[in-house]
Amino acid sequence: DAGVIQSPRHEVTEMGQEVTLRCKPISGHNSLFWYRQTMMRGLELLIYFNNNVPIDDSGMPEDRFSAKMPNASFSTLKIQPSEPRDSAVYFCASSSSPGGIYEQYFGPGTRLTVT
Amino acid sequence: DAKTTQPTSMDCAEGRAANLPCNHSTISGNEYVYWYRQIHSQGPQYIIHGLKNNETNEMASLIITEDRKSSTLILPHATLRDTAVYYCIVRVPGQAGTALIFGKGTTLSVSS
Repeated sequence: DAGVIQSPRHEVTEMGQEVTLRCKPISGHNSLFWYRQTMMRGLELLIYFNNNVPIDDSGMPEDRFSAKMPNASFSTLKIQPSEPRDSAVYFCASSSSPGGIYEQYFGPGTRLTVT
Repeated sequence: DAKTTQPTSMDCAEGRAANLPCNHSTISGNEYVYWYRQIHSQGPQYIIHGLKNNETNEMASLIITEDRKSSTLILPHATLRDTAVYYCIVRVPGQAGTALIFGKGTTLSVSS
């Protein structure tokens, strides 16, 4: 199995630009999570999907952030407009159990730098 | 308010057992204990989880005290590749909104 795939691995953009991060979960997994990691705040959950439906988006920082899961094999996290404080590593994770009851499998992450 | 307390850092010699403690004195009856680790520049990796019985898999063993207020993750024969930040997490599985909450974790350094 290829594991969770994220793209791009690195993204550098200027403040105000739109950024789209992509995730392909492990085939057959029906739960998908987006996390953000910074030195200051550690690893934070942004949003969680179950069967392509957003279940909990309470961690999404503000309206500039949006996430979609149009089908079971693809999800996007969009930031529009981006700001320097959005610089972080963004991880996508998937699980075969609802809510990630047991293990969650993480992708390699996308390192976002907003200048 | 952190649900778990872990030492900031630990050292271990290669080939020796690494015992990583975690205090979770306010754990409730339906909360599980999960362990993940994060190797530098990689995503977190699931290790093991348990409710009240000791658990073992190909990666590690999890020992939970009878009162469930603390636990220990044991890597039986640590290697250099086990150098990572180890996170102890307690949560009720399956509840929406109670996804993994990662604290500061323990930085384990394995040296030869």
